[in-house]
Amino acid sequence: GESVGLHLPTLSVQEGDNSIINCAYSNSASDYFIWYKQESGKGPQFIIDIRSNMDKRQGQRVTVLLNKTVKHLSLQIAATQPGDSAVYFCAENSGGSYIPTFGRGTSLIVHP
Amino acid sequence: KAGVTQTPRYLIKTRGQQVTLSCSPISGHRSVSWYQQTPGQGLQFLFEYFSETQRNKGNFPGRFSGRQFSNSRSEMNVSTLELGDSALYLCASSSRLQGGTEAFFGQGTRLTVV
Repeated sequence: GESVGLHLPTLSVQEGDNSIINCAYSNSASDYFIWYKQESGKGPQFIIDIRSNMDKRQGQRVTVLLNKTVKHLSLQIAATQPGDSAVYFCAENSGGSYIPTFGRGTSLIVHP
Repeated sequence: KAGVTQTPRYLIKTRGQQVTLSCSPISGHRSVSWYQQTPGQGLQFLFEYFSETQRNKGNFPGRFSGRQFSNSRSEMNVSTLELGDSALYLCASSSRLQGGTEAFFGQGTRLTVV
């Protein structure tokens, strides 16, 4: 079919604010989820992961929440800094598959 | 521990030519996956190699191929290049543990087809 150009959703925040980036996934069999951060000119970088037997996991300044009922994943970044400006991707694995399926990404812009 | 290394970083080719991209995974990682990233389509899975065998393949034409060597290094080849092949090609390595594990990405090779 004809491809449609992507317009990334964008979240703009002030430095020091908390950021919440959301992701909806479609496969109810997905059991492993990962958040990646991609800065301009670089490859995606692993931030945090969560398995389906958990609903919350915390890292350094980041928290991932998983709501399997509505198939929703979120990434919370505390005290957002200009260095957090990047595109954030969620990825899901299902049934032991080793190939994650990536979401479209969200562009986070942090204003000093 | 060295990360995933992709070469070259940038490449300009003409329509109809072929190109080979290289990826060296993290030491000890035996799984290498390739992705194509474009503004229009996002991150699209190309194929995965594990122990020199292609284990998974995405929905790309046969012009896209790859291979993996005994030292886990991988190459991907695109023949008869088209303008639409212009993209960032990313390689990811993982230890492929059961139950899913994170993939570590290289910086990518930016391919421009003119």
